Amino acid sequence: AQSVTQLDSHVSVSEGTPVLLRCNYSSSYSPSLFWYVQHPNKGLQLLLKYTSAATLVKGINGFEAEFKKSETSFHLTKPSAHMSDAAEYFCVVTANSNSGYALNFGKGTSLLVTP
Amino acid sequence: KAGVTQTPRYLIKTRGQQVTLSCSPISGHRSVSWYQQTPGQGLQFLFEYFSETQRNKGNFPGRFSGRQFSNSRSEMNVSTLELGDSALYLCASSLVELAGGHEQYFGPGTRLTVT
Repeated sequence: AQSVTQLDSHVSVSEGTPVLLRCNYSSSYSPSLFWYVQHPNKGLQLLLKYTSAATLVKGINGFEAEFKKSETSFHLTKPSAHMSDAAEYFCVVTANSNSGYALNFGKGTSLLVTP
Repeated sequence: KAGVTQTPRYLIKTRGQQVTLSCSPISGHRSVSWYQQTPGQGLQFLFEYFSETQRNKGNFPGRFSGRQFSNSRSEMNVSTLELGDSALYLCASSLVELAGGHEQYFGPGTRLTVT
């Protein structure tokens, strides 16, 4: 079985402060992990992906995520939040298993950035 | 390069009717996946088409079906619409099939309202 849990449904930060969006996963197989962002009334945009290369992954707009196998986590961070970062963020885990390909989206974390 | 396009963007249907949504992937992309997004259930995977064949399927009833054409364009059909089918339907394209672990590029979605 495979699943992904985004630990916070809402996160609020002040502009210029660090952002931490938490994601835990479970997978019996070697997973690929992704973070996507969705701005209001828009489709999803890929921020970054992990596919068993370097454990620290750098993405667009200053975001990065660290794959920690021992903690089964893939948290998304950014050193300094910008107003334009306010959006919904989704953690996604995919894996090939004996029963086929599986893909799971987290429930999403809504990021609010205050002035 | 043009992004993923979906038509129509908004649709209102009555219970019991059927609906067809269309998706044109990024040029050169051969995989098209469909997702349903609702406030209650979040993002759920419907199915993936690659080279005109359904490769993966989520846990949705048979009322939801799709197909892919030789130019990789895809259509999704929902028959006998129910109120619970009201959702944002997102299409995503990928260079190769999802099992390859590649990222997906999402369209803006079709907002379906069933009355």
